[in-house]
Amino acid sequence: DGGITQSPKYLFRKEGQNVTLSCEQNLNHDAMYWYRQDPGQGLRLIYYSQIVNDFQKGDIAEGYSVSREKKESFPLTVTSAQKNPTAFYLCASSSYIGQTVVYGYTFGSGTRLTVV
Amino acid sequence: QKEVEQNSGPLSVPEGAIASLNCTYSDRGSQSFFWYRQYSGKSPELIMSIYSNGDKEDGRFTAQLNKASQYVSLLIRDSQPSDSATYLCAVISGNTPLVFGKGTRLSVIA
Repeated sequence: DGGITQSPKYLFRKEGQNVTLSCEQNLNHDAMYWYRQDPGQGLRLIYYSQIVNDFQKGDIAEGYSVSREKKESFPLTVTSAQKNPTAFYLCASSSYIGQTVVYGYTFGSGTRLTVV
Repeated sequence: QKEVEQNSGPLSVPEGAIASLNCTYSDRGSQSFFWYRQYSGKSPELIMSIYSNGDKEDGRFTAQLNKASQYVSLLIRDSQPSDSATYLCAVISGNTPLVFGKGTRLSVIA
């Protein structure tokens, strides 16, 4: 089955600790995205990548880092510089026709990160 | 800053009624429009996409787009309790990432 796999489902971070959230897709999509969702809020873009070895900051990139070494993988690191990391993190991917995303995004099942 | 606005709700409708969800967007160059359904604690699921003015129907769902008014809506006919969820409107321009509204919470009362 094609899809996006996020792991772990739940993650607990201690103060001052870096943690990495995994996102893997087998949809052969070119673009991948990380969003953050807080309770009662919409999705806010953290980082995105439209091609391997390249990525762009989103609206709330501070305190986060990413890499895109393979088309299938787009891990997100939440660094100690992110002061309020407790949230629901969603990874998504999409394909393009020309310059346009036509079919919307496919989302993973999410990772719920809690600071302890 | 591109913005997508939705009424946060909750919108409560009786079972069997039509639920009407609305969304406005700020970027007049937006080209593609999507509605996602998100159950509590779950990830968003794409339910409708629309690209040109007018109506698009899929089962009990109808998406309506009016680019001149920068307005997109979702109608759910014969609403069921299982339709109770948050509905996210999302808009895209060219190859820039999707911009999401904050969502409207729908509650269908049996």
